[in-house]
Amino acid sequence: SYDLTQPPSVSVSPGQTARITCSADTLPKQYACWYQQKPGQAPVLVIYKDTERPSGIPERFSGSSSGTIVTLTISGVQAEDEADYYCQSADSSGTYKVFGGGTKLTVL
Amino acid sequence: EVQLVQSGAEVKEPGESLKISCKASGYSFTTYWIGWVRQMPGKGLEWMGIIYPDDSDSRYSPSFQGQVTILADKSISTAYLQWSSLKASDTAMYYCARFGLEKAFDIWGQGTMVTVSS
Repeated sequence: SYDLTQPPSVSVSPGQTARITCSADTLPKQYACWYQQKPGQAPVLVIYKDTERPSGIPERFSGSSSGTIVTLTISGVQAEDEADYYCQSADSSGTYKVFGGGTKLTVL
Repeated sequence: EVQLVQSGAEVKEPGESLKISCKASGYSFTTYWIGWVRQMPGKGLEWMGIIYPDDSDSRYSPSFQGQVTILADKSISTAYLQWSSLKASDTAMYYCARFGLEKAFDIWGQGTMVTVSS
């Protein structure tokens, strides 16, 4: 199965580290990426190819991969990081893309 | 500037047809795949399908195969998402997005809200 599983919600206090996981059997074979979506806005790419950060994305955003799990880490969380985060990958052939169910990050 | 600009919000009745657009600028339209993503009210992102504008090769999510058609007109750098008969359950925000060299959707349109109601 190439369904991507994310926790529905994660809560952290400002300045702490937030970790959001995404799991699927296909992740050892396919890259994953992460998007941030704030209310009323289009998604924004924050991590690609498991660990790479696009230009313009703050260094506090990082990605890692281990087997069937990829993780988005936000170090020193700021209030502005409160948003929904989605992982995205593909089936084993790379043809069919898929999004995880999304994780709502709440900054307490 | 690389951007995707989508057509405006639509209000339609069940059974009507609809085609929404996504105009690309600032890059070579024919060398990147363009995907469509649905977001129903209060829900997550769903990948619908993708098209390669150079030859109109298209792939669909099994969930959307036969429900919509994805098209591209490379002469005007525009991709389209088309319905032949809308249902109330098609009410959603629809985004187009470029699938970049990073193997991710790196550029997104602003979204088109489609409301289907009698």
